[in-house]
Formats: sequence, C-alpha cells, structure tokens
Amino acid sequence: AQRVTQPEKLLSVFKGAPVELKCNYSYSGSPELFWYVQYSRQRLQLLLRHISRESIKGFTADLNKGETSFHLKKPFAQEEDSAMYYCAPRWYSSASKIIFGSGTRLSIRP
Amino acid sequence: DADVTQTPRNRITKTGKRIMLECSQTKGHDRMYWYRQDPGLGLRLIYYSLDVKDINKGEISDGYSVSRQAQAKFSLSLESAIPNQTALYFCATSEPTGDTQYFGPGTRLTVL
Repeated sequence: AQRVTQPEKLLSVFKGAPVELKCNYSYSGSPELFWYVQYSRQRLQLLLRHISRESIKGFTADLNKGETSFHLKKPFAQEEDSAMYYCAPRWYSSASKIIFGSGTRLSIRP
Repeated sequence: DADVTQTPRNRITKTGKRIMLECSQTKGHDRMYWYRQDPGLGLRLIYYSLDVKDINKGEISDGYSVSRQAQAKFSLSLESAIPNQTALYFCATSEPTGDTQYFGPGTRLTVL
C-alpha cells in the first residue's frame, strides 16, 4: 500500500534553531515527492519538489531512497516559518494522484 | 491567487440536508480534485477528475458525489449530510502532469 507518514503532529523550536520535519513513505516504486505548506489564513501551496533540487525560503529536502524518507530541513528557523507542512508523494502508478501526509504544525518561538 | 474559487466559504447545515459545494477555476487545467481536511488526518482525497469526462473516486468517496459541469467547474455534493462530514473542504486543480496542485481557499462545513 502507498502510505506517507509524518510522525510529528507538532514541532516547536526557537527562532534561529535548526528545523527538521520528518517524512517517510512506503516503498512502492519511486514516487515523486513534494512538500506543501499552509500559512495562517493562506491557501495550501507548493513549497518544493525533490526533482527540482531547489531551496525555497531556506528549506531543502533530501530524498533518501534507502530509508524512504524525504525530510524537510532549514538550518535557522524564522518566525514566519510557522505553518502547517504536508509531505506529499506521488506515485505514477496511481494515476498521478498526490497523497498527503497528516501534516506537521511547525511553531517557531521567539 | 483567485484562480481557484470556492463557494460558499462557510456553511452550517443540519443532518439529512443536501449540500452542494462549488469550485471554479480560471487556470485552464483539466484536472480537478476535492479533498477534506480534518485535524490530525491531513488532506484526504474524496474525488478527482482528470478531464470533463473522467471522474474517479478517491479514498473517502462514500457519502459524496461530484459533477464536472465544464472544464472550469467541479461540484461536490453531500446527498444527506451527517455530523462526521463536518470538515474543511478544499478544491484543487493541476496540469495534466499533476506536478503542482493549486488550491482554493476552502469551505468550512458544519453539520449539526
């Protein structure tokens, strides 16, 4: 079965501290992986996708096929990073549907 | 981004009532989706449409139906609403590759 797990419902860190939001997916082929973010009172939006190997707002995510993980990282958290983050793999065998994880709420303390 | 709109934005209704949530998009995308968001459960796919003539069930379609009236419109209906359908409902669109999904602002539905 195709599953995605975000083990932390809530992650609270101090401003300036490193952040790592965990995401693990079930092995079922090689999915494409995305992180979506929902800031307060804003729409859910794409943050980054692994295929682009990009850094958005200081966040990066490394695909580890051996551990089937796609953790989201940022070296120095900022208050504006407070939001809900969803890991979202897409398996091409499933008509390219994206499956969203349960989400992690990131709270940055001043 | 007003390219994906949802109406109504908030709705309170009673058990047993029929409810329709509407989604419109001006992005010209063929693919449209309906999700519900519940605390601790994230987003779960209800139905999706790959184009006007192709509609598919998602993981939690029971109790819901959809209609794709045009490329730009995708409606979600609750034939007989029940309290556990209280949730935040999101519509989304994507290009054929499905690479990026563009979300509407959400509809908060409360079933009493």
